[in-house]
Amino acid sequence: DIQMTQSPSTLSASVGDRVTITCRASQSISSWLAWYQQKPGKAPKLLIYKASSLERGVPSRFSGSESGTEFTLTISSLQPDDFAIYYCQQYHSYSLTFGGGTKVEIK
Amino acid sequence: EVQLVESGGGLVKPGGSLRLSCAASGFMFSGYSMNWVRQTPGKGLEWVASISSRSSYIYYADSVKGRFTISRDNAKNSLYLQMNSLRVEDTAVYFCAKDWDSSVWFFDYWGQGTLVTVSS
Repeated sequence: DIQMTQSPSTLSASVGDRVTITCRASQSISSWLAWYQQKPGKAPKLLIYKASSLERGVPSRFSGSESGTEFTLTISSLQPDDFAIYYCQQYHSYSLTFGGGTKVEIK
Repeated sequence: EVQLVESGGGLVKPGGSLRLSCAASGFMFSGYSMNWVRQTPGKGLEWVASISSRSSYIYYADSVKGRFTISRDNAKNSLYLQMNSLRVEDTAVYFCAKDWDSSVWFFDYWGQGTLVTVSS
């Protein structure tokens, strides 16, 4: 199975900060990577697919990029609504796998 | 509006069985692959099983293979997960999730989840 390693596991930031979350795949997954945001007691919400394509309705402050097997989710200017847990997911091959999550908390 | 509503969760003893259902509305259910994803309380997400639009392709996580069965009824716009030989480690919130497109295997809509607790 492809392992997805996310870092950091927790990130403390302030409103307005630029935030970067990294997800590393254990082998090549091409661009088959999605990012989700989850708030307490809620289902995950799709933000990004195919590594860098923004899901419709998602604010443009969210962006995704890739370099080899390393993928990055960037929030250009953190807003109060963005404090949540973020997960990456590879869909290159089965078993589908998620990263361990990154909690973005208020500094 | 796309809606996915899970039901069937509850408390069950180890070794027991449970059948989860997911009622779908607001989209052409028969045109999309569907999935089950679970989340252990306070922990991360784990993919459980996927089924293609016409049930031609079915995939399972190793952790549930041979014990869980995913199925669908396109006439009833419903997705199911039959869970047998349940273990304590199967305790989780189970989400049904819709594929973004046919057989792309990432998810644009999720249900609210149903809690399964396996305990003696």
